[in-house]
Amino acid sequence: AQSVTQLGSHVSVSEGALVLLRCNYSSSVPPYLFWYVQYPNQGLQLLLKYTTGATLVKGINGFEAEFKKSETSFHLTKPSAHMSDAAEYFCAVSVPNNDMRFGAGTRLTVKP
Amino acid sequence: GAVVSQHPSRVICKSGTSVKIECRSLDFQATTMFWYRQFPKQSLMLMATSNEGSKATYEQGVEKDKFLINHASLTLSTLTVTSAHPEDSSFYICIAGDYLTGELFFGEGSRLTVL
Repeated sequence: AQSVTQLGSHVSVSEGALVLLRCNYSSSVPPYLFWYVQYPNQGLQLLLKYTTGATLVKGINGFEAEFKKSETSFHLTKPSAHMSDAAEYFCAVSVPNNDMRFGAGTRLTVKP
Repeated sequence: GAVVSQHPSRVICKSGTSVKIECRSLDFQATTMFWYRQFPKQSLMLMATSNEGSKATYEQGVEKDKFLINHASLTLSTLTVTSAHPEDSSFYICIAGDYLTGELFFGEGSRLTVL
């Protein structure tokens, strides 16, 4: 079965600094990869996804992620952090017609 | 885009009672429904997978007699938490699979609090 590992349960950055949240996946077939954000007491909101095609995927709120097959990675980045980016971020993997597996999550803190 | 309607969004019940959560796919046929739960400060964990018209497949450690899943039609799946206890308090989310496209669509989630 497919799986993802998020490196770092907590990441803290200063406002305006680069955000880098790491995700590595495992899958025996070409995967679909996702990043979700969750604010306190809310559901998950899709930031971006990779299915096929261009390996650099741009999402909402200035986030982007690059699918690197050779590294089995799908790291999430944002050039300049904003206070409103503070939240829990989940990386997820699925394959067509199968369930979605989530990483343990990374809590992003943004310092003023 | 495809929509999955999940309700109730929040429910508070007394210990020992049963609670039913519904997920409806509004504009596609959900051949598969995945049910997840998320405890506070944790990730989403798959509880069970149901395919329309057949019995659900439960993940290890999930009690099938406690978490009853019905997927009798291509647009509706229900999760019933029977004899709920405080430790069942959690955020429950359905994710519907569209077999034709292979895509997955999220319900909005249901926050269950058992007193």
